[in-house]
Amino acid sequence: DQQVKQNSPSLSVQEGRISILNCDYTNSMFDYFLWYKKYPAEGPTFLISISSIKDKNEDGRFTVFLNKSAKHLSLHIVPSQPGDSAVYFCAACLYNTDKLIFGTGTRLQVFP
Amino acid sequence: GAGVSQSPSNKVTEKGKDVELRCDPISGHTALYWYRQRLGQGLEFLIYFQGNSAPDKSGLPSDRFSAERTGESVSTLTIQRTQQEDSAVYLCASSPPGIGNQPQHFGDGTRLSIL
Repeated sequence: DQQVKQNSPSLSVQEGRISILNCDYTNSMFDYFLWYKKYPAEGPTFLISISSIKDKNEDGRFTVFLNKSAKHLSLHIVPSQPGDSAVYFCAACLYNTDKLIFGTGTRLQVFP
Repeated sequence: GAGVSQSPSNKVTEKGKDVELRCDPISGHTALYWYRQRLGQGLEFLIYFQGNSAPDKSGLPSDRFSAERTGESVSTLTIQRTQQEDSAVYLCASSPPGIGNQPQHFGDGTRLSIL
C-alpha cells in the first residue's frame, strides 16, 4: 500500500528547460510535504518543503506546488542544469508526527 | 564533521550473523530516524527517537531488528540472524528541535550485503 507515489521512474530534460517532477498521495492526513535530492552513494539532501496550508513555495530555481483536492504535488526546476541530475524523492509527513513516508523516487537526467 | 555520520559505510556479512550499524547525529539534534532503502525502492521508515520519549518502533519489520540511542547522541541499529532480504542501504537522519516540522538531515548510509 504505497501512500506516496512517484509514477515516473525517470525523466530526461535538456539543460535550460523546465523539469517537472510529480508526486501523488492517498492519505488526507498528510500535512507537510518535502522534496529530497539524492546523488549515488550519498544520503538524500533536503531541497524544499510545503505546508498543507499553502499551495506554492518557491526557493530560487525550485518551486513546489500543492493541489490538495487532487492530492498531488509537483516540483518545478527552472532552468534545469546538468548538476540537477539525481534521484528526487517526494516525502509526506502525517499530521502531528515527525514520521516521513517517501515515494520511490524519480531519476532526473539533465543533458546539455 | 558537521553532518550525520554513519559507520561502517559498507558491510558484507554471511546470512545468520548479527550486524550493528552506527549513527552519529548532528550535535544538538533531538530527533533521530532510521530508514531502509532496498534496491529500486523508496526509503522505508524503521524507527524514530525524539528526546527522552519512548521510540516509535512501528516500522521495524521483525523482532530481529532493534535500535538503541544514548541520550540525544549516538544510535545503533542491530539486526540479528541476518537474512538475504535484509540487504539494503540503511540511512540515518536527524532533525533539530523546534516548533513545527523540521527537515531531516541524512547521513550517507550503510550499504549492507548479506551473502
